[in-house]
Amino acid sequence: DTGVSQNPRHKITKRGQNVTFRCDPISEHNRLYWYRQTLGQGPEFLTYFQNEAQLEKSRLLSDRFSAERPKGSFSTLEIQRTEQGDSAMYLCASRLDREGYGYTFGSGTRLTVV
Amino acid sequence: AQSVTQLDSQVPVFEEAPVELRCNYSSSVSVYLFWYVQYPNQGLQLLLKYLSGSTLVKGINGFEAEFNKSQTSFHLRKPSVHISDTAEYFCAVSVRSNYQLIWGAGTKLIIKP
Repeated sequence: DTGVSQNPRHKITKRGQNVTFRCDPISEHNRLYWYRQTLGQGPEFLTYFQNEAQLEKSRLLSDRFSAERPKGSFSTLEIQRTEQGDSAMYLCASRLDREGYGYTFGSGTRLTVV
Repeated sequence: AQSVTQLDSQVPVFEEAPVELRCNYSSSVSVYLFWYVQYPNQGLQLLLKYLSGSTLVKGINGFEAEFNKSQTSFHLRKPSVHISDTAEYFCAVSVRSNYQLIWGAGTKLIIKP
């Protein structure tokens, strides 16, 4: 068990560019979550998957954001036409779909839009 | 809807002194309660959780928390802190129907030597 892995750890991009982040969850975890965290705030829910199905998306997830989890394994989060307000830490977490089972978080991808 | 309030954005405390980080929540349905710790430039690590049963929950690194239903609180305590406890601490709740986490804004624990 290597935990939840996120790549890249840091990403600096120019406004208007597209970026894609990857999350590799713990292999037996069927639920995968994406959160966004800005400085001085707790994480905000973006979306989650059960296996390959995307079950819920937050209002925070505008049309510029898209997430996928092909084959129910790794997941990608893409942001198109990035804006400065997208600068944040993007956190991925996974868990088993079992009552009370905790989340395991990755180390996050820090995005800076300049 | 659920919400979580962490009353202190920063808590400075001397090394080896006790500390309490406060967390209050609001929910019309039953919830699970969690404390997570985030060290600089790292992800979130589970400290402890309350699901049911005993209201006093013990976690890792010597932390414990007490669930108080009447006061809708879940305060985190440690009897003696160390420099290594310097981090940001987040309280979170999840509803039993979908287990999504709703987070407080976090409390930075600052340990003074």
